[in-house]
Amino acid sequence: GEDVEQSLFLSVREGDSSVINCTYTDSSSTYLYWYKQEPGAGLQLLTYIFSNMDMKQDQRLTVLLNKKDKHLSLRIADTQTGDSAIYFCAETCTSGTYKYIFGTGTRLKVLA
Amino acid sequence: EAGVAQSPRYKIIEKRQSVAFWCNPISGHATLYWYQQILGQGPKLLIQFQNNGVVDDSQLPKDRFSAERLKGVDSTLKIQPAKLEDSAVYLCASSMDRAYEQYFGPGTRLTVT
Repeated sequence: GEDVEQSLFLSVREGDSSVINCTYTDSSSTYLYWYKQEPGAGLQLLTYIFSNMDMKQDQRLTVLLNKKDKHLSLRIADTQTGDSAIYFCAETCTSGTYKYIFGTGTRLKVLA
Repeated sequence: EAGVAQSPRYKIIEKRQSVAFWCNPISGHATLYWYQQILGQGPKLLIQFQNNGVVDDSQLPKDRFSAERLKGVDSTLKIQPAKLEDSAVYLCASSMDRAYEQYFGPGTRLTVT
């Protein structure tokens, strides 16, 4: 079945790098996404990667995709207190509807 | 470009009452989604529209939930009657088309007492 798993919590010091991990099950996923959710807000699209790519870099964000292991990671360089939020990965299921399957979210806490 | 708009932002009702949520997607977006996000969980898709037609409603509790998207633009999601377990944030999202990235509204937080 379709399932996306993430670790629940991550705590880092300001200025350090954060790495948030995600594993998914649908090998036919075409796109994988990272969203950020701040308290009381909707989900904000951070970045996405196409399934035929291994890596994508976008300013402080680096996405790594290991398709063989169905493992996705998001690295945030020079983590700031404003990065504190919940981060969700999502895979698209290409069964025709392209619906998203979201992970449970990783709560990132940045310590000053 | 205006984002996805939702109203109300908060709603408190008693169980067995009815409630409706409204969503206005980004202009020109053909695909519209309603998600339910229970506290501590990721969003779960309830229903997906392509223009004004339903593409996927496999996880919509159809005995109490209904949704429509008249004229392929705005959408409403209704719960009748509400149960305690319906307490959640209801998120609306839209995308240009089915294979494109989704943009989310701020959500409606529903509390059923």
